[in-house]
Amino acid sequence: AQKITQTQPGMFVQEKEAVTLDCTYDTSDPSYGLFWYKQPSSGEMIFLIYQGSYDQQNATEGRYSLNFQKARKSANLVISASQLGDSAMYFCAITIIQGAQKLVFGQGTRLTINP
Amino acid sequence: KAGVTQTPRYLIKTRGQQVTLSCSPISGHRSVSWYQQTPGQGLQFLFEYFSETQRNKGNFPGRFSGRQFSNSRSEMNVSTLELGDSALYLCASSLQTSYTEAFFGQGTRLTVV
Repeated sequence: AQKITQTQPGMFVQEKEAVTLDCTYDTSDPSYGLFWYKQPSSGEMIFLIYQGSYDQQNATEGRYSLNFQKARKSANLVISASQLGDSAMYFCAITIIQGAQKLVFGQGTRLTINP
Repeated sequence: KAGVTQTPRYLIKTRGQQVTLSCSPISGHRSVSWYQQTPGQGLQFLFEYFSETQRNKGNFPGRFSGRQFSNSRSEMNVSTLELGDSALYLCASSLQTSYTEAFFGQGTRLTVV
C-alpha cells in the first residue's frame, strides 16, 4: 500500500518569503508519480506540479518547484516569493503506475500568508 | 480548452434518497476517477473508469456506484443516502496513461439531512 505523510498541519508565512511544504511517501513500487495540489476555500483542487519517479531533474512550474529526494522518499513543495493568494490547503499525492489512475493523498497542510 | 465540469455544484438530499453526480472530463481525456473528501477522513478514492470500464475501486460500500459513457463522461450514484455521505465529491480526469497529471473539477458538495 502507498502512503503520504504531511507533517505540517498549518504554516504561517510572511508575504514574499519562500515556503517549503513537507511531504514524505512510502511505496515499494519503483514506478510512481507524485503530485501537489492546491485547494482554496472554494473547494476545487488545482494541479500545481508533477514528478515522475524516473525523472532525473526536479520539476518546476513557475513559482513552484518540487524538491525530489528519492533515497529519502521525500517530495517537498517549494513556493518562491509567496503571495496572499497562495493561502490555501496544499495536498501531496502519489499514484502507482499499474494501469489505473488512483491518487493517495496526504492529510494536507493549511498555508496562511500574512501581509 | 475547457476544464473538468461537475454538476451540480451543490446538492441537499434526505436520508434514504439516492443521488447522481455528473462529471465531464477534459476533451481527449479517457480516464475519470472519483474522490470523496470529508473533514474526518480526508480525500479518499472511490473508483476510476477508463473507456467505459471500471479499472480500480476504493474501499466503499456497494451503495456507491459509477459508470462511464462512450464520450468519457462519468456519473456516480449513491443509493440509500446516510448522514455520513455528506462530503465534497471530486472527479479528476487524465490522459490514457498513469504517468500524467490529473485535473480536478470544482466538486459537488453533497449535504444529507
